[in-house]
Amino acid sequence: DVKVTQSSRYLVKRTGEKVFLECVQDMDHENMFWYRQDPGLGLRLIYFSYDVKMKEKGDIPEGYSVSREKKERFSLILESASTNQTSMYLCASSPLRTSYEQYFGPGTRLTVT
Amino acid sequence: SQQGEEDPQALSIQEGENATMNCSYKTSINNLQWYRQNSGRGLVHLILIRSNEREKHSGRLRVTLDTSKKSSSLLITASRAADTASYFCATVLTGANSKLTFGKGITLSVRP
Repeated sequence: DVKVTQSSRYLVKRTGEKVFLECVQDMDHENMFWYRQDPGLGLRLIYFSYDVKMKEKGDIPEGYSVSREKKERFSLILESASTNQTSMYLCASSPLRTSYEQYFGPGTRLTVT
Repeated sequence: SQQGEEDPQALSIQEGENATMNCSYKTSINNLQWYRQNSGRGLVHLILIRSNEREKHSGRLRVTLDTSKKSSSLLITASRAADTASYFCATVLTGANSKLTFGKGITLSVRP
């Protein structure tokens, strides 16, 4: 079974802090994705990556950056956390150019105070 | 921009009844997928239907796709309390890469 893990289930940070959210997948998938999920807005794509050291902006990249130094790991970085970044963050992975089915991690609920 | 829009936003049924959820989209797609999310958890892929398919089955799930109407429906037969969850449709656009565009989701409650 594909397993996607996220470093924390719950995280509380202060405004202005630098925040790292880590995601690891164990199925050698090329594609990895970061979403945020907010009530009434569904899932919105922040960034995605097709390969190591490669990244592309999604629909809402402002205030975020990403890093993919190894194929299995995709990190989301909040350079200076703000209260409007309080959200559920979901990581996903998928094989390259197959069915496009995505496998999701359990999510990290981030609260910025 | 939101590609998929689910309908209804919320659905409450009795255990044993069938649940029908609908999804409409705006532009040409490669495939359409349905996902389930239990409260506070990640999403789980349920079923994928390609643009050249009209109907697919998986266990108690039946998905239809009408590309002329740009719509899909997910039917869960003989629902169980464990089916209580949020359901999302997601589309892969024609010519796009692996990106999925999700709708806002439907909250299904199955009463025991």
